[in-house]
Amino acid sequence: DAGITQSPRHKVTETGTPVTLRCHQTENHRYMYWYRQDPGHGLRLIHYSYGVKDTDKGEVSDGYSVSRSKTEDFLLTLESATSSQTSVYFCAIREDNHNEKLFFGSGTQLSVL
Amino acid sequence: EDQVTQSPEALRLQEGESSSLNCSYTVSGLRGLFWYRQDPGKGPEFLFTLYSAGEEKEKERLKATLTKKESFLHITAPKPEDSATYLCAVQVSGGYNKLIFGAGTRLAVHP
Repeated sequence: DAGITQSPRHKVTETGTPVTLRCHQTENHRYMYWYRQDPGHGLRLIHYSYGVKDTDKGEVSDGYSVSRSKTEDFLLTLESATSSQTSVYFCAIREDNHNEKLFFGSGTQLSVL
Repeated sequence: EDQVTQSPEALRLQEGESSSLNCSYTVSGLRGLFWYRQDPGKGPEFLFTLYSAGEEKEKERLKATLTKKESFLHITAPKPEDSATYLCAVQVSGGYNKLIFGAGTRLAVHP
């Protein structure tokens, strides 16, 4: 494994509640990513980070925020969860070169009721 | 609009029955094409990167090829352990060298 841990692995929450997902890496890589995966869709990028406190939006960032206060941790927050955010969330890292090869965590299954 | 389409959505093979998965793309500037394998309940696992038309990569029973419009993942004499979802992703020029993923092909290989 590439040294990526996502927590929790499963979560059920109610509409309107805040939710934070955590991604922890032991590889000391600069680049970290949050994707969501839904049936019939490819993985879609939510936010990414290119260093501590350096983050930017992906293609489906509305309703999500992120924070990276340490190299090893990248947090994804749903400020007020909605049913449309029910999905599987994957964190990914990549090596600090120009190769876009990603290493993924095992995912968090989030259900918003 | 940049787009990646994989076909078929699902494929059922008998053990030993060779076949190919397709990934077609329409993008403004291709920087690379990636194949990943995803097992149920797990994250995608990197298989190959292809950068230019005519390039080929092989790993065990898998061979990936690339043309200017599509990529194929050829599976020769598959075994049940090859059952998985195979994802294609295209890296395009952009502010963050973004990846566009296809929806995947679910492969089931039966003994």
